[in-house]
Amino acid sequence: KAGVTQTPRYLIKTRGQQVTLSCSPISGHRSVSWYQQTPGQGLQFLFEYFSETQRNKGNFPGRFSGRQFSNSRSEMNVSTLELGDSALYLCASSLGSSRVKPYGYTFGSGTRLTVV
Amino acid sequence: GENVEQHPSTLSVQEGDSAVIKCTYSDSASNYFPWYKQELGKGPQLIIDIRSNVGEKKDQRIAVTLNKTAKHFSLHITETQPEDSAVYFCAASKDGGGSEKLVFGKGTKLTVNP
Repeated sequence: KAGVTQTPRYLIKTRGQQVTLSCSPISGHRSVSWYQQTPGQGLQFLFEYFSETQRNKGNFPGRFSGRQFSNSRSEMNVSTLELGDSALYLCASSLGSSRVKPYGYTFGSGTRLTVV
Repeated sequence: GENVEQHPSTLSVQEGDSAVIKCTYSDSASNYFPWYKQELGKGPQLIIDIRSNVGEKKDQRIAVTLNKTAKHFSLHITETQPEDSAVYFCAASKDGGGSEKLVFGKGTKLTVNP
């Protein structure tokens, strides 16, 4: 069974540019969540999509956005990049229901974004 | 909102010893507590989880205990091996593991010395 696939693995962008990251969840998983991981702030929740709808949102500025397609694949976009956006961006997928096992999230290996 | 505190931030043990990592959470409505292991260059991997209707759960050398009254939960690794070296994260969620966001602790870097 294929895991969560994130592309690209590494990205270098310049301040002010925008970037789009992609995530393909585990087959059958309908929920996709995005997290930002930095040494200072740790793992922070960005947003979660379920059946193409944003179901939860973290405390990030509007420059961070996402979407989910009908095949559950998801993209996140960051516009007007700042140096502080340099981070590992992780995607996690789940069945999206606490009533069905297995519970919980499976993470991808992440996209390492460096803003220069 | 929920806040998860994790201790210690670093832990060094000898191979074969036990390791214990502790977390406390603030929101009494949280009911799902997973633990993740993150190795260098990889995403976090779920190693064990517990729901609030259970006090303890074991999986081979790994166990998690939950004290809902005190709002803390712990990860216990017995007979540690060098391959257990990694960063471990605890997390809490309010939905039982289905959809709500995970709030993570800051992580514990575990080093197992051969």
